[in-house]
This record gives sequence, C-alpha cells and structure tokens, in this order.
Amino acid sequence: NAGVTQTPKFQVLKTGQSMTLQCAQDMNHEYMSWYRQDPGMGLRLIHYSVGAGITDQGEVPNGYNVSRSTTEDFPLRLLSAAPSQTSVYFCASRSGATEAFFGQGTRLTVV
Amino acid sequence: SQQGEEDPQALSIQEGENATMNCSYKTSINNLQWYRQNSGRGLVHLILIRSNEREKHSGRLRVTLDTSKKSSSLLITASRAADTASYFCATDAKAYKLSFGAGTTVTVRA
Repeated sequence: NAGVTQTPKFQVLKTGQSMTLQCAQDMNHEYMSWYRQDPGMGLRLIHYSVGAGITDQGEVPNGYNVSRSTTEDFPLRLLSAAPSQTSVYFCASRSGATEAFFGQGTRLTVV
Repeated sequence: SQQGEEDPQALSIQEGENATMNCSYKTSINNLQWYRQNSGRGLVHLILIRSNEREKHSGRLRVTLDTSKKSSSLLITASRAADTASYFCATDAKAYKLSFGAGTTVTVRA
C-alpha cells in the first residue's frame, strides 16, 4: 500500500498566486486532515473531513479551502498565497479514534 | 491554541541512556498518542494509550498516562543514534481531531 501520498513535495509561489496541494490515501480511511508545521509550533490543524462530502474548519483555516468529493482524495487549496503561508504542510488520514498516517509533506515557500 | 505541551523542548543524551519527555494537556481526552518525526519527514505513530489505561509498552518505549493530572510521559530506554528525532504528543479529544504539542527534540550522542 502507498499509504498517504502528497504532491508536490516542494513548491515556490509568488504572493497572490493560487494553488492546490494534493493528498490521496488508499486505506479507505474516513477521516482526513491537513496540518501546517512551523518552527517551534508543532502541527496546527487547518481543515479536516470525517467523510466524503463533509469538511470542517480546524485551528487555522483562514486562506485555505478544502473539499472531499471521494473517500480517497482531500485537496487543500490556497486561494491567494501570502508569505505567512510559507510552511510545511502535512496531510493525514485515520480510521476512527486510532493512529494517524501522515504523508511526507509539502514544503511551500511564498515569496 | 494547542492542546498538548511537551517538556523539555530539547534533550541531549548519550547513547545507551534513557530519555524521558512529558506532555501536559488541558481537556478530557479519548486517547493520547505519541509520534516521532525525523528531520524533514512525515510523522510516524509510536504508541496510543487510551484514557482508561495507565501504562503501555512497545519495545523500548514506555508511556504513562495520568488523567487526573492531565499528563503523559514517554520513556525511551537504552537510546540509540537512530532515536535522534522530534517527538510529539497528540491528544484525541472529540470529532476525531488530533491536537499536537510543539514537540521535544531529542539528540542522541554516540
């Protein structure tokens, strides 16, 4: 199994550009989440989904959109990139109140 | 705000020594989990302890949970160079949202 796959691994954006970070899982997990990791701050929850068609905001949702049209995919959209969104982004999936499986991350730089 | 807070922020030990790190949290939980992150990589799950458990072991890892004090500890025994990583506690409170602390960076010296 591939587990959780994130693309791209690295991305540089100019301020104001938009882009979509892709996340796909092949474990048939109902729960998927997006986190951002900044130095010294651990992981902060951006958005999460408890199933296809159901999403909700996490701790730091501003500037990001998500959708969940299938169980497998949970893309994260940056609407208008800002330097404050420079971070490492992680997607995770889990089945109920169990361990989470993480992707390898997307390192995003906004200039 | 983050639910869990790890202590210490950083830890440097000699190979073969034990490493202990602590996690405190604020609200009631269903379970608490520990993860490891090697530099630049994704997080890897280490161990999960449920709210009705007090201690759990997995190989060289020992986790305790004290729900009355809202705290947990992770002990790594007989540390190795490969244990050099950041360690995070994550609390699982409601709506299946895992909340992470800022982590403890462990350096194991040869």
